[in-house]
Amino acid sequence: GDSVTQMEGPVTLSEEAFLTINCTYTATGYPSLFWYVQYPGEGLQLLLKATKADDKGSNKGFEATYRKETTSFHLEKGSVQVSDSAVYFCALVGRYRQAAGNKLTFGGGTRVLVKP
Amino acid sequence: NAGVTQTPKFRILKIGQSMTLQCTQDMNHNYMYWYRQDPGMGLKLIYYSVGAGITDKGEVPNGYNVSRSTTEDFPLRLELAAPSQTSVYFCASSYDLQVCTFGSGTRLTVV
Repeated sequence: GDSVTQMEGPVTLSEEAFLTINCTYTATGYPSLFWYVQYPGEGLQLLLKATKADDKGSNKGFEATYRKETTSFHLEKGSVQVSDSAVYFCALVGRYRQAAGNKLTFGGGTRVLVKP
Repeated sequence: NAGVTQTPKFRILKIGQSMTLQCTQDMNHNYMYWYRQDPGMGLKLIYYSVGAGITDKGEVPNGYNVSRSTTEDFPLRLELAAPSQTSVYFCASSYDLQVCTFGSGTRLTVV
């Protein structure tokens, strides 16, 4: 079945540092890929997405590129802020003929802590 | 524009009690999901639905039941609560799976 593997945290950074969170996936065919973010005490929010190979999703200074050849979707941000402290989840939705197969599968989440 | 509404926000249950977690969405989404998030862990899919009258098991369905009699509502039923069901429960919905909208969660403690 579908699966998503992302690097374990916590990741602790200083403000203005570069952030990378690795994500790889296993799925049949060509899934859509997502990064969701969960701020403390809140539900998940969509951060960015990519629906086909070589697409780059971007939002709030974060970027991720859909790499089919390496089955990866790594999240990057060039200069993090304290407000970026959150848990980040990589996720995918496979594309199957039967609608029942189309569900969102999450990685384990990576906690990021940005210190001033 | 309410989105996905979950009730209650917090609940403490005694072992063996039962309860229903409510989830309602007002976006006319066909897809709805229940996830649980254990402390420090990722989300695990409990049950999901691709439309009214259609439900299916996710990764961790044991101890739970769902129904989907309307497009808007997707309640999650816990029978015979156990300490292992202590978790934060998230309901989510989606129109086309490209964007998933989450509720704010229900924090459940079983003692």
